Amino acid sequence: GQQLNQSPQSMFIQEGEDVSMNCTSSSIFNTWLWYKQDPGEGPVLLIALYKAGELTSNGRLTAQFGITRKDSFLNISASIPSDVGIYFCAGQRSSGGGADGLTFGKGTHLIIQP
Amino acid sequence: EAQVTQNPRYLITVTGKKLTVTCSQNMNHEYMSWYRQDPGLGLRQIYYSMNVEVTDKGDVPEGYKVSRKEKRNFPLILESPSPNQTSLYFCASSLEWIAKNIQYFGAGTRLSVL
Repeated sequence: GQQLNQSPQSMFIQEGEDVSMNCTSSSIFNTWLWYKQDPGEGPVLLIALYKAGELTSNGRLTAQFGITRKDSFLNISASIPSDVGIYFCAGQRSSGGGADGLTFGKGTHLIIQP
Repeated sequence: EAQVTQNPRYLITVTGKKLTVTCSQNMNHEYMSWYRQDPGLGLRQIYYSMNVEVTDKGDVPEGYKVSRKEKRNFPLILESPSPNQTSLYFCASSLEWIAKNIQYFGAGTRLSVL
């Protein structure tokens, strides 16, 4: 199946710092999604990107759909303790009528030190 | 409240004993899907369903079955569970399978096969 390379695998940062993570693929995706998973819960969608070059914000979160359509970035500004969790990128190939599911990255585990 | 409900949340079983994990959504979504999450591997799709009576294999379907007799329910069946199926399972649904549709995840089912 498709492979998404998500990095870094984990991050240890101080509260208030900015965070950056990214996903890359050898294949083109039509949609990029970023999810956050809290312990004991399912992933929750943070940001969805539908067009190459698109830059979208959701509060302190900003994500970009790479121009090549093979990568995406997520930035979190001024991190706070509740940002702790695992962040997943996901790519979708089909733009309609297809049978492709989401391909997920392996996750970035964010740990914030007070 | 819109939600995807999985049951049970936790399950311990023995090799070879058939089990079913139920998934139900109350959003009248057409598309439903099952994923398994394993450390270091992220989420991988097991099976998906585009609508009632329409199911297809995802990336890791071996050892699993599904059915979609009603729109709201999408049970995952393990006919003869094996220890390598010990994992965290998530059901997800979305309105329909085209781009720009967001998948909503259940809270997860943690399965241990002894």
